[in-house]
Amino acid sequence: QSVLTQPPSVSGAPGQRVTISCTGNSSNIGAGHDVHWYQQLPGTAPKVLIYGNTNRPSGVSDRFSGSKSGTSASLAITGLQAGDEAHYYCQSYDNSLNIYAVFGGGTKLTVL
Amino acid sequence: EVQVVESGGGSVQRGGSLRLSCRSFGFTMSAYSMNWVRQVPGKGLEWVSYIGIDFRTIYYGDSVRGRFTISRDKDSLYLQMNSLKDEDTGMYYCVRDDGAAGFDPWGQGTLVTVSS
Repeated sequence: QSVLTQPPSVSGAPGQRVTISCTGNSSNIGAGHDVHWYQQLPGTAPKVLIYGNTNRPSGVSDRFSGSKSGTSASLAITGLQAGDEAHYYCQSYDNSLNIYAVFGGGTKLTVL
Repeated sequence: EVQVVESGGGSVQRGGSLRLSCRSFGFTMSAYSMNWVRQVPGKGLEWVSYIGIDFRTIYYGDSVRGRFTISRDKDSLYLQMNSLKDEDTGMYYCVRDDGAAGFDPWGQGTLVTVSS
């Protein structure tokens, strides 16, 4: 059971827009901690997709965007492409005793 | 190119020990906090442990606390894993803690397999 809750799967047709939610609580996202998003393509290591809630690293398409409100965050992907098919993970930090970082359970994006 | 490279994974019997290592390339590891993150095959990411640049600020996930020990020196990161359980099987990633920029970069991972 992951500390941050994500839907196990989302899907969309090419060109469509999808969103992936990430729900935490008052000790992590709700405490004001940043949320980062990672993309893991099949057979590869994760890479940063969105950092600091809303920021894209150099080289990441502007079709990807992040937002955060209260105890939740969201990743939006517009203009879906076949190459976007991957697992997506949110990550934040936690104020619980001796815990540093927490991940969501991951969301598998399928491009129909 | 900024990267990290893990080593030390392999097959080990339940109850055994293994020591993972990680080296940095393209940046000075001692200037960054570092993490270990693992992934059971086909499952999600699980944060395992953190060590700060002071070498003394250390955190562990609940599932490994008391069994795993993180350490570092100037150029390398280590994870000593003792009393290994079946559920410790997975890919172990060394990840630089880039502060507000998240966990970046990730290594290619080193696979640990615990069996009876």
